[in-house]
Parts: sequence; structure tokens; C-alpha cells
Amino acid sequence: EIVLTQSPATLSLSPGERATLSCRASQSVSSYLAWYQQKPGQAPRLLIYDASNRATGIPARFSGSGSGTDFTLTISSLESEDFAVYYCQQRSNWPRTFGQGTKVEIK
Amino acid sequence: EVQLLESGGGLVQPGGCLRLSCAASGFTFRSYAMNWVRQAPGKGLEWVSAISGSGGSTYYADSVKGRFTISRDNSKNTLYLQMNSLRAEDSAVYYCAKDVDSGVAKAFDIWGQGTMVTVSS
Repeated sequence: EIVLTQSPATLSLSPGERATLSCRASQSVSSYLAWYQQKPGQAPRLLIYDASNRATGIPARFSGSGSGTDFTLTISSLESEDFAVYYCQQRSNWPRTFGQGTKVEIK
Repeated sequence: EVQLLESGGGLVQPGGCLRLSCAASGFTFRSYAMNWVRQAPGKGLEWVSAISGSGGSTYYADSVKGRFTISRDNSKNTLYLQMNSLRAEDSAVYYCAKDVDSGVAKAFDIWGQGTMVTVSS
């Protein structure tokens, strides 16, 4: 199975700062990578699919890039509601797998 | 409004069984693949199973293969997960999730609120 490794585990930033989250795959997943946001007690929310396509209703401050094994989720300017846990997920191979998550916390 | 509503969770003994349901509304259910994703307390997300829009193709994580069965009734707009031979490590919140567009388990754009399954004696 494809292992997705996210880094860092925790990112401590202030509102207005830029957040850069990484997801590395154990083998190429082409561009078949998605990103989700999850807040405590809530279901995940799809942000990005196929590496760079924003899901419906997702603000433009969220962007995704990368292909092959290295991917990045960028939040250009953190809003208070963006502090949450972020997961990447691949759809290149079965079984589908998620990364272990990156927590973006308020500094 | 597009909505998914899970039910059927609860406390079950090891070796027992449970059937989860997910009622869908607000979209053409038969046109989309559907998925189950679980999250153990304090842990990350784990994809469990997927089913195509017609129900003709199913997929499972190795951890549940042979024990869980995914199915759907397109006439009732409902997704199911039959869970047999349950283990303590199956304890988690189970989410049903809709695929974002054509394909199976591509990405999950609509999620239910989740239903808790606890396997314990």
C-alpha cells in the first residue's frame, strides 16, 4: 500500500501568516492527491482534489501543488477558522490511504 | 441541500456484528460512488470501503476484507456497511462519504456526521 507521510506534524503560526504543508508518497501517485481539513468534533471537509483543483466553495487562499511523490498545500494568509488538522489522501492505488495529518495551531 | 445521515452505531461485543446505514438526500444517489471512512478516537482517517454507483464494484481495505460488506439500495438512496467478526480495533467513528465526481473513491466531497462504533466486552 502507498504510505503518505505528512510534515510537519504540527505547524505553529499566527493569523495572516502563510502555511505550507507537505505530503510525500512512498511511490508515485501521479496527480491523484486530495487534501482535507478537519476541525474537532466535525467531519472532514474536502479542500483540494487531483493535486490542485479546489473543491466547490473553497476559498482561493487554499492552493495545492505537486505531482509524483511530493505535494504541498498552501494557505496564503491564515484566517482564524483555518486552524485545524489537515490530511492528504491518494487515489492512485488500492487501498486508498490517508496521511497521518498536520495540525495547524495558533502560535 | 446535499446531506448524508449515518445510523446504526453502538456498543457491540468482540466477535459481534453491526449494520450501519447512510441515508442520502439532495443529489442523484445512483450517479455517485460512495465510501466508508473511519476514525478511531484521537487518531487519523482510514478509508474502509467503496462501492460504485451501480453497486457492481466494491473495494475494501485489507483490515476489513472478508469481515465487512458494503452495499447500496439506489431505490432507497441508502448505503450500508455490514460489519461481522468485530474486533476492538474496529472501534471508531464511521463516516459515509460521497465521491466528488465520476470514478470510485477519487475524493470525498460530502460527509455525514459520523456514527460511533465501540467494540468492547
